Amino acid sequence: QVTFKESGPALVKPTQTLTLTCTFSGLSLTTSELCVAWIRQPPGKAPEWLARIDWDGDQKFYCTSLKTRLTISKNSSKNQVVLTMTNMDPADTATYYCARIRDGEGFFDYWGQGTPVTVSS
Amino acid sequence: DIRMTQSPSTLSASVGDTVTITCRASESLSSWLAWYQQRPGKAPNLLISEASNLEDGVPSRFSGSGSGTEFTLTISSLQPDDFATYYCQQYNSYSYTFGQGTKVEI
Repeated sequence: QVTFKESGPALVKPTQTLTLTCTFSGLSLTTSELCVAWIRQPPGKAPEWLARIDWDGDQKFYCTSLKTRLTISKNSSKNQVVLTMTNMDPADTATYYCARIRDGEGFFDYWGQGTPVTVSS
Repeated sequence: DIRMTQSPSTLSASVGDTVTITCRASESLSSWLAWYQQRPGKAPNLLISEASNLEDGVPSRFSGSGSGTEFTLTISSLQPDDFATYYCQQYNSYSYTFGQGTKVEI
């Protein structure tokens, strides 16, 4: 059974850096097609893709509008993907999801349950 | 970035109805489009990839069509479980974007 689970702080202050961890299981890491993404969804709004990491080649891709604030990385020994977002703002309040991108394409077939993050002083 | 526009934003329907949701892209996607269903408090659930490929386990009353810049999601014979919000998402380039959503309500 494939599972993804996000973890991180529920509350951060403006200007702080957010660090979120995605832990997954049930996936074979021998495939060269494992890709993991972060997506967020502000309350009442549509999802917004943030970043992608390709496991084998360690290629990384970022949402154009947030590129300067995001860093995605992996911890191979722990089956984890980490997202950091700097200079947090109340507009970054959202539920943050990690998800698998199937076969290196661009759609998301397995999602975590999401972790809500509020940015407030 | 490619802009995705869904219509309508809200759709009122009854059990047994057939409904269609449209998604338009600001540039051609070929067939690189997915559809998701989202229920309140849950993560989006993939229904369709590559414009018309139904995911395993998704009921056959869901269907997708289109290519280029115009796509549709059709739900035939709406069931109570289908009242939810639906999103399209393009993956034509390494900058994925979602439509703003269509809420299907009773």
